[in-house]
Amino acid sequence: GAGVSQSPSNKVTEKGKDVELRCDPISGHTALYWYRQSLGQGLEFLIYFQGNSAPDKSGLPSDRFSAERTGGSVSTLTIQRTQQEDSAVYLCASSPRDREASPLHFGNGTRLTVT
Amino acid sequence: LAKTTQPISMDSYEGQEVNITCSHNNIATNDYITWYQQFPSQGPRFIIQGYKTKVTNEVASLFIPADRKSSTLSLPRVSLSDTAVYYCLVSGYSTLTFGKGTMLLVSP
Repeated sequence: GAGVSQSPSNKVTEKGKDVELRCDPISGHTALYWYRQSLGQGLEFLIYFQGNSAPDKSGLPSDRFSAERTGGSVSTLTIQRTQQEDSAVYLCASSPRDREASPLHFGNGTRLTVT
Repeated sequence: LAKTTQPISMDSYEGQEVNITCSHNNIATNDYITWYQQFPSQGPRFIIQGYKTKVTNEVASLFIPADRKSSTLSLPRVSLSDTAVYYCLVSGYSTLTFGKGTMLLVSP
């Protein structure tokens, strides 16, 4: 079946512009996560959605970052007034969360370059 | 949150068995241990998960001692295509924190 889909796969933007990154999770998965991976680094947690519960935003690095999940499915990560340090790969993952610690299913990410 | 520690890198040769150990001293009672594999330009991919003792699937084995403060991913007879970054993740109903992973390089 279809996996987690992210778009665009690559995004180049100028410093100060806003960007929107999209994630289509696997159908039926109630949990959705956003991570950021800088070059040669591990995965940095950003935000977590679980069903209709309030999202866990504890990983968002600044108020320039926000995310929405509409209808419990598609999610959009928005970065306002982008900075060069925002350049990274942004990864989305979903999970059925039908049991504790259900494995995550990742997309291939959006590579964001801020010039 | 349980923090994990893994070696930054490991080298091996084709056909050898590779064991990657992850330390997680403050693992909680309801935490599971999950390993992921990541190739360049791809998202991480699930390999194996366990809670205690030993788990084996078609690609790997996971060994977890009784105190659960560490775990070892065992890859039998690695090939060049196993060159990747391997992440150990300790997870419960909380933020899932990935460490920096172990870069495994398999040579001919």
